[in-house]
Amino acid sequence: DADVTQTPRNRITKTGKRIMLECSQTKGHDRMYWYRQDPGLGLQLIYYSFDVKDINKGEISDGYSVSRQAQAKFSLSLESAIPNQTALYFCATSDGDISYNEQFFGPGTRLTVL
Amino acid sequence: DQQVKQNSPSLSVQEGRISILNCDYTNSMFDYFLWYKKYPAEGPTFLISISSIKDKNEDGRFTVFLNKSAKHLSLHIVPSQPGDSAVYFCAASARGGSEKLVFGKGTKLTVNP
Repeated sequence: DADVTQTPRNRITKTGKRIMLECSQTKGHDRMYWYRQDPGLGLQLIYYSFDVKDINKGEISDGYSVSRQAQAKFSLSLESAIPNQTALYFCATSDGDISYNEQFFGPGTRLTVL
Repeated sequence: DQQVKQNSPSLSVQEGRISILNCDYTNSMFDYFLWYKKYPAEGPTFLISISSIKDKNEDGRFTVFLNKSAKHLSLHIVPSQPGDSAVYFCAASARGGSEKLVFGKGTKLTVNP
């Protein structure tokens, strides 16, 4: 079973709709992240959480919100989706107790906003 | 302001030859650097990393070199294989790797048989 899972894997929605992307992890990591990937722009950090009660904005948080429901779950919401939020979205986790550690990524959600 | 730069969007090499992917950074507080590999329809996967106390780290066919004075790192793949064809992202963080990662835009490597 995958350590970091994302649901849904693909989603098509309409402008103005509310949508939630979910991320779950079985790695026991305390840190979780949401990234967005656009063609030619690499990975941009939307929000991150270093523990259940900690939420931080990333580079491009406008138009997004997050919820850390438990150590293992971190969801990303688009309150009113717009076409320029069409992108690949990745969730990632890392172990905050270890220095010099990598992030582990989920398989991604492809979101299309019409 | 782009703190991590991968100036080559793409690179094409022949199977068996060396692939060299480059990355530059501007933030002198960065002390931990990583390379990720990404195939289409998959999430990025960690490949290799290096901390600022080293100037080289090897793992099989993959070697990362760090030149702190030039704020430059490179990933060498020797020999290159068709399965190495993917997008490679350079990433950096500060404070012993405990800070969030900053990613470059990626370089698409194509290894031709």
